[in-house]
Amino acid sequence: QLQLQESGPGLVKPSETLSLTCTVSGGSISSGSSYWAWVRQPPGKGLEWIGSLYYTGPAFYNPALKSRVSMSVDTSKNQFSLNLMSVTAADTAVFYCAKLHYDTLTGYIPFDYWGQGILVTVSS
Amino acid sequence: QSALTQPRSVSGSPGQSVTISCTGTSNDVGGYNYVSWYQQHPGKAPKLLIFGVNKRPSGVPDRFSASKSGNTASLTFSGLQADDEAEYFCCSYAGSYTWVFGGGTNLTVL
Repeated sequence: QLQLQESGPGLVKPSETLSLTCTVSGGSISSGSSYWAWVRQPPGKGLEWIGSLYYTGPAFYNPALKSRVSMSVDTSKNQFSLNLMSVTAADTAVFYCAKLHYDTLTGYIPFDYWGQGILVTVSS
Repeated sequence: QSALTQPRSVSGSPGQSVTISCTGTSNDVGGYNYVSWYQQHPGKAPKLLIFGVNKRPSGVPDRFSASKSGNTASLTFSGLQADDEAEYFCCSYAGSYTWVFGGGTNLTVL
């Protein structure tokens, strides 16, 4: 059974860079039909797609965050990562990593597996 | 890219049918057959309920059904159960490998 687990600091100072890692177990991050994504949820609010990437790249980002976001994959560790620069209090949220499935027969099955989420608070 | 529009809350009694709407534009919901729905219980990660407008993943009961007409998608519960009380989010492909979520709907089982 595929499992995803987020890790990283729970507290980040304003103007600094938020960095998170998602470790994939029970399957390969290099699976031909899998894309990897980050989704966030501010406290008491809705979900927001941050970005997605395939293990060979490139990454695609939410236009509203594109200037501050970067994502990458480390196939040797079966992990993918998120960097969000110049954070403010508005970036405080639970961050989820998730998987998207795509194949030419089925098309997209978005966010079929999720990590448990990690709360990141932006505060000095 | 604006969030899809969902009602803030809906409610129903056990056994009743309830429908949640999700309205977008021709650039997302209306333009692609990639609408999905997620159930989220408090403090938990979202769970995929529906993908491809009306397809259920293995293990999701058939009392959850969904459809789309124009720029509006709908999720219907046939025979509400107490455990259905949760937050529900729609999501749509929005072109150029991007995705957009709805604001969420809180379902209360009376």
